[in-house]
Amino acid sequence: DQQVKQNSPSLSVQEGRISILNCDYTNSMFDYFLWYKKYPAEGPTFLISISSIKDKNEDGRFTVFLNKSAKHLSLHIVPSQPGDSAVYFCAAPASGGSEKLVFGKGTKLTVNP
Amino acid sequence: ETGVTQSPTHLIKTRGQQVTLRCSSQSGHNTVSWYQQALGQGPQFIFQYYREEENGRGNFPPRFSGLQFPNYSSELNVNALELDDSALYLCASSLGLAVQETQYFGPGTRLLVL
Repeated sequence: DQQVKQNSPSLSVQEGRISILNCDYTNSMFDYFLWYKKYPAEGPTFLISISSIKDKNEDGRFTVFLNKSAKHLSLHIVPSQPGDSAVYFCAAPASGGSEKLVFGKGTKLTVNP
Repeated sequence: ETGVTQSPTHLIKTRGQQVTLRCSSQSGHNTVSWYQQALGQGPQFIFQYYREEENGRGNFPPRFSGLQFPNYSSELNVNALELDDSALYLCASSLGLAVQETQYFGPGTRLLVL
């Protein structure tokens, strides 16, 4: 039972354009969401988070949008840069408010120069 | 401030053997979590330790066990290895247990079971 779903295994965009990565969740108890970025041979690194009391959180080129009614969140990267090429994971703390994260399968983003 | 480190980076074992993977958390981080990432999947939570006590466990059998030490290091032990245990094993440390505490991941240990 996958509680966090990333249905696009890969995404390719041109440098300078917008990248939009999507994530859906099934557990309505989730109230905090995180995006992690992973380069090959490295561990995931925290990118940005959003609490369910907000519908948008912005940090530089990265913005996360949350639509609670649709149980959907998205990560926007504007403008995309070749160094953004990585696997992006959407995650949420498991029910109970712990740090035990439930991850999606990830979306591999390729930004072409 | 040093990052999270893991050893070894790669490991090959045969079915039925036992393996110990090691993690060194960031200094001062009382919480360590272990995840298994199979090919093409996201990381799956194995268990978490807080101040040397297990603080929750995912859907993994008892042959997966762990230890956390006072010096911010920890171990993941897997007994009776199976082919499906082949995966990237990640540890992540954080200061405490709050949801908003950022988890810092190590680079992982890639285990291949033949």
